[in-house]
Amino acid sequence: GAGVSQSPRYKVTKRGQDVTLRCDPISSHATLYWYQQALGQGPEFLTYFNYEAQPDKSGLPSDRFSAERPEGSISTLTIQRTEQRDSAMYRCASSPQDTQETQYFGPGTRLLVL
Amino acid sequence: SQQGEEDPQALSIQEGENATMNCSYKTSINNLQWYRQNSGRGLVHLILIRSNEREKHSGRLRVTLDTSKKSSSLLITASRAADTASYFCATRLGAQKLVFGQGTRLTINP
Repeated sequence: GAGVSQSPRYKVTKRGQDVTLRCDPISSHATLYWYQQALGQGPEFLTYFNYEAQPDKSGLPSDRFSAERPEGSISTLTIQRTEQRDSAMYRCASSPQDTQETQYFGPGTRLLVL
Repeated sequence: SQQGEEDPQALSIQEGENATMNCSYKTSINNLQWYRQNSGRGLVHLILIRSNEREKHSGRLRVTLDTSKKSSSLLITASRAADTASYFCATRLGAQKLVFGQGTRLTINP
């Protein structure tokens, strides 16, 4: 596609519910990143993929967070048993290769947990 | 935890003036990047400066890097209303992830 897209753009959920966020990277980009951005803060790394491999998930805050990229293109980020502290903007980015220095960001999904 | 800290946290200037934002970081870096975030939109890459460079220009943007002080500055000259945004510095620590600062919120007043 022309750019990184994410869906939904906004998600409101109740505490305890599971949510799944989707990222569609720039086509042919091998590397995909997930970041979490709290209000008034900079993005913080969660995890990344090289194609379908997930070399680094050190930024995932707990085992309630998981991400997949089964076919090396679209990725999903799932948060189980959501908590209010999970409320944030979730940003996805992609780059042609993991050695590429510039990352291309999508518009983000704003998650609100009530 | 975040690697960089931007200064000031917020900056308000008149259109046409120059805006300067600073970033300090903690560890050795391969490069430092600046990104812009407009309200309701994604992050957009502005400029990258490598650890062996001291200054770089791109249009109205000028970036400096002082590795001895672990600091960088972003200068936007002849500011425009469209420059209103949050600006983040980000460092890449050899691994793939970017580590962002907290950002500077820049407001350009007409």
